[in-house]
Amino acid sequence: EVQLVESGGDLVKPGESLRLSCSVSGFTFTSAWMTWVRQAPGKGLEWVGRIRSNSDGGTPEYAAPVKGRFTISRDDSTSTLFLQMNSLRPEDTATYFCMTLWAGGAADWGQGTLVTVSS
Amino acid sequence: SYELTQPPSVSLSPGQTARITCSGDALARKYVYWFQQKSGQAPVLVIYEDIKRPPGIPERFSGSSSGTVATLTISGAQVEDEGDYYCYSNDRSGNVWVFGGGTRLTVL
Repeated sequence: EVQLVESGGDLVKPGESLRLSCSVSGFTFTSAWMTWVRQAPGKGLEWVGRIRSNSDGGTPEYAAPVKGRFTISRDDSTSTLFLQMNSLRPEDTATYFCMTLWAGGAADWGQGTLVTVSS
Repeated sequence: SYELTQPPSVSLSPGQTARITCSGDALARKYVYWFQQKSGQAPVLVIYEDIKRPPGIPERFSGSSSGTVATLTISGAQVEDEGDYYCYSNDRSGNVWVFGGGTRLTVL
């Protein structure tokens, strides 16, 4: 059974940092290109960024609103995806999902972890 | 930055056909994916690569694409199809992905 489990969400103050994790099981994590997506309360889905598999270079890409503040990384030895979030702003308040989109018509999502940025 | 544009809402009666559009400058060259999200749940992929339906998705869901506009069609929409629908694609570089703003489908 495929499982993606996000953790690390919390209430933090503006300017603070937070690290989210996504623990994966049930598929070959090493070959997966992994994506972070967020959803602000009552709003739509927003692509945060993606990291390629290490065999494809391991390169991360980011959406403009988070570039320079957020860093995506992966640990293939533990099948874990990370999102390091620095200089957090109130507009970063959202549920953060990890996701992978497979060639051939499958997409696996976690259930999300809530990040609240407020003073 | 790249954007995908969807109508905010579509409403219809059960059995009618719903069409949700997604427009973007790069869609003539890039695949579109469609996700359905029901309240409090993670999104579910209903169409991939413009026109393909994943296993387990009812046949009433179909996709098409022409030029810079992609369309999700639900033929004979059911009450259980209510939810938010998002198109998803990438820009010309292929490195930056984006979701459309979402369309709230109401079937009543």
